[in-house]
Order: sequence, then C-alpha cells, then structure tokens
Amino acid sequence: NAGVTQTPKFRVLKTGQSMTLLCAQDMNHEYMYWYRQDPGMGLRLIHYSVGEGTTAKGEVPDGYNVSRLKKQNFLLGLESAAPSQTSVYFCASSYSTGSSYEQYFGPGTRLTVT
Amino acid sequence: ILNVEQSPQSLHVQEGDSTNFTCSFPSSNFYALHWYRWETAKSPEALFVMTLNGDEKKKGRISATLNTKEGYSYLYIKGSQPEDSATYLCAFKPGTASKLTFGTGTRLQVTL
Repeated sequence: NAGVTQTPKFRVLKTGQSMTLLCAQDMNHEYMYWYRQDPGMGLRLIHYSVGEGTTAKGEVPDGYNVSRLKKQNFLLGLESAAPSQTSVYFCASSYSTGSSYEQYFGPGTRLTVT
Repeated sequence: ILNVEQSPQSLHVQEGDSTNFTCSFPSSNFYALHWYRWETAKSPEALFVMTLNGDEKKKGRISATLNTKEGYSYLYIKGSQPEDSATYLCAFKPGTASKLTFGTGTRLQVTL
C-alpha cells in the first residue's frame, strides 16, 4: 500500500495563478482532510470530506476550494494564488472519526507564491 | 475555535534524560485526544489515540496519560535518545466534530 500520496511535492506560483493539489489514498478511508502548516501555527484545517461527494469548511477555508469526486481522491484548488498561501500543505485520511481512528498523513506539498 | 495548547513550545535535553510535556484541551464534550510525532522533513505519524479518563498508553519508551475532567494529557519520554528529536503534536476531538483541532506542538531536541 502506498498510503497517502500527494502531487506535486513542490510548486512555485506567481500571484494570481491557479493550481490544484491532488491527494490520493489507497486505504479505503472515508474521511479526508487538507491542512496547511505555517511556522508557529501548527496544523490548520482548510477543508475536509466525510465521504465521496461531500466537503466541508475547516478553520481557514478562504481562497481554497475542494472536490471529492472519487472516494480515494481529494483535490485542493487555489483559484487565484496569493503570497499568503505560501505554506506546506498536508493531506490526511482516516477510516472513521470513531474513537480509535488516527489520521494518516501524506508527505506534504511545499507551495511558494511569489 | 477550540483552544488546544501545548507546553513547552520547545525543549532541549541530553541523551538519557527523561522528559515530559503537556497538552491542554477543553474539558467539556470530550471524545478523543490524539498524539502525533512529527520528524523534520517527514509527515506526522500517530503515537496514541486516547479516549478514557485515566487512560495510560505506552509505546516503547514513550507513554501518555489522560485527564478528561481537568482537560490535560501528558506525554513522557524515558531515557531520551537523539532519534526522539521531533515535534510532538496533540489533537483534540470533541464529540460533535468530524475533525481534529491540533495544538502548535512541542519541539524536542535530544543531543549527545
């Protein structure tokens, strides 16, 4: 099993450009999450999904959109990138949110917006 | 926004020292408390998921305790080794949510 994978690993965008980050998991997990990690801020939830076709906003959703058309994939879109979106983005998945189900994280995508 | 706090922010110990850090979370509507270990240039990996008041979990030299009534959890590392150097994150899940709220982490550095 590959676990949780993220594409791409690195990206540099100019302000105003758009891009999509892909997260894929092969563990048949229902729940998927997108986080951003900034120095001193820990992991902050952007959007999440509790199943195929469903998405919900997290703590910092502005400037991002998501889609979960297939159970194994969760896409994060930036329609018009801003320097404030320079960050490391982590995707995670979990089987359920029941008591013993931890989240499994992807390797991260480092995004720089100039 | 839920308040999940970790202390200290960073810690520097010598090899062989034992150490501990704290995670504070809301004491109401508790469902689960997660601990993750996050090595530099890697992804967070789960250490423990704790659900019961008074619970104690152990994995090798690392253990954790949970007090849901007062809203805190301790993570202990016995006989720290350089490979224990990492950021340790806790994350709180209330009963009504499908998501975790993470603390900002405790960064541990163990030197020889």
